[in-house]
Amino acid sequence: EAQVTQNPRYLITVTGKKLTVTCSQNMNHEYMSWYRQDPGLGLRQIYYSMNVEVTDKGDVPEGYKVSRKEKRNFPLILESPSPNQTSLYFCASSWTAYTEAFFGQGTRLTVV
Amino acid sequence: AQKITQTQPGMFVQEKEAVTLDCTYDTSDPSYGLFWYKQPSSGEMIFLIYQGSYDQQNATEGRYSLNFQKARKSANLVISASQLGDSAMYFCAMREGQMVGSQGNLIFGKGTKLSVKP
Repeated sequence: EAQVTQNPRYLITVTGKKLTVTCSQNMNHEYMSWYRQDPGLGLRQIYYSMNVEVTDKGDVPEGYKVSRKEKRNFPLILESPSPNQTSLYFCASSWTAYTEAFFGQGTRLTVV
Repeated sequence: AQKITQTQPGMFVQEKEAVTLDCTYDTSDPSYGLFWYKQPSSGEMIFLIYQGSYDQQNATEGRYSLNFQKARKSANLVISASQLGDSAMYFCAMREGQMVGSQGNLIFGKGTKLSVKP
């Protein structure tokens, strides 16, 4: 089954404790991206990747890192999480930057 | 200025009836894609339908169709024969082409909460 898989689905952590949210897609898509969804602010792009080893900042990259060592994986790293990073996070993949994007199940992150 | 506008924060529809969710967009790029997504209360984001700016015909996918009026810059979603499981948030989104250097960012509207009544 074609899918984008994120883990974990839910995470509660403390300020400053490094964490990684994994994302994997099995559709051989070139383009992958991360979004966060917040009430009143909607969905905003954090980082994106056009292909392996090619990543770039989206609209709200501060406090996040990503890597794209393999085509299928695009982990989101929070080196020192803060409470303002409490949010619903989505990983998405698509064939190109212009075609439909398929989303992972979402990760609800709470930083206390 | 907002690039994607969804003017209906919430809508009700009777089960088995059709419903139209409005979406208008703003772009100067001649090449763009328009998308609709469904987000149930469980939180996942489900792709429904896509319309390209150069597509001559309106897109359809099962009970979903997209009423694309390019000159008016509107891309309304029509759901036919509503079902209880259609109750969810619906988001209109756009990806602009290479001319504006968008880098593939999906621009979302604020969403419409659809409630289907039995």
